[in-house]
Amino acid sequence: DIQMTQSPSTLSASVGDRVTITCRASQSISGWLAWYQQKPGKAPKLLIYDASSLESGVPSRFSGSGSETEFTLTISSLQPDDFATYYCQQYNTLYSFGQGTKLEIK
Amino acid sequence: EVQLVQSGGGLVKPGGSLRLSCAASGSTFSRYWMHWVRQGPGKGLEWVGRIIDDGRTTYYADFAKGRFTISRDNAKNTVNLQMDSLRVEDTAVYYCAGAGRFVNNWFDPWGQGTLVTVSS
Repeated sequence: DIQMTQSPSTLSASVGDRVTITCRASQSISGWLAWYQQKPGKAPKLLIYDASSLESGVPSRFSGSGSETEFTLTISSLQPDDFATYYCQQYNTLYSFGQGTKLEIK
Repeated sequence: EVQLVQSGGGLVKPGGSLRLSCAASGSTFSRYWMHWVRQGPGKGLEWVGRIIDDGRTTYYADFAKGRFTISRDNAKNTVNLQMDSLRVEDTAVYYCAGAGRFVNNWFDPWGQGTLVTVSS
């Protein structure tokens, strides 16, 4: 099984900050990685697929990069609506998610 | 674009059974592979299993094998998750999600989620 590890688990930041979340795979997954945003009581929302492709309708302040085993999600300038939990997901071999990164207001 | 609306869920005793349903709007449902993902209380996302577009093949996470069954009816635009021999640790919000054909595809769209509570 492919294990996905996100860091940090919790991130405190302010509106306007640039933040980066890292996701590491236990083995190479090429570029088969997605990022989701989840708010309390809601379903996950797709942000990024294939490591760096921005889903239609998602603000351009979100970007993804990486390949093989190391990936990042960057939010260039945090907005109030961005405080949520973020998950990475690999779909190279079956499917697995990172444990999540909770983005909190500082 | 396909939208997914879930039904079912509720409280069940350990060892019991429950059936979740996920109804899709739109005519392209039959092109999607359909997945189930769960999220335990205060926990992260966990993939449960999938069924391919024509319904002929399913695949399950180890914890679901032999207990959970995914089925679909493309004529009715629905996918179901039959859960038997339920355990306390199966308590979670269960989501259905669609994905493009083939293995290497992300999940979108998602249903709204339905809570399953396994407790005596």
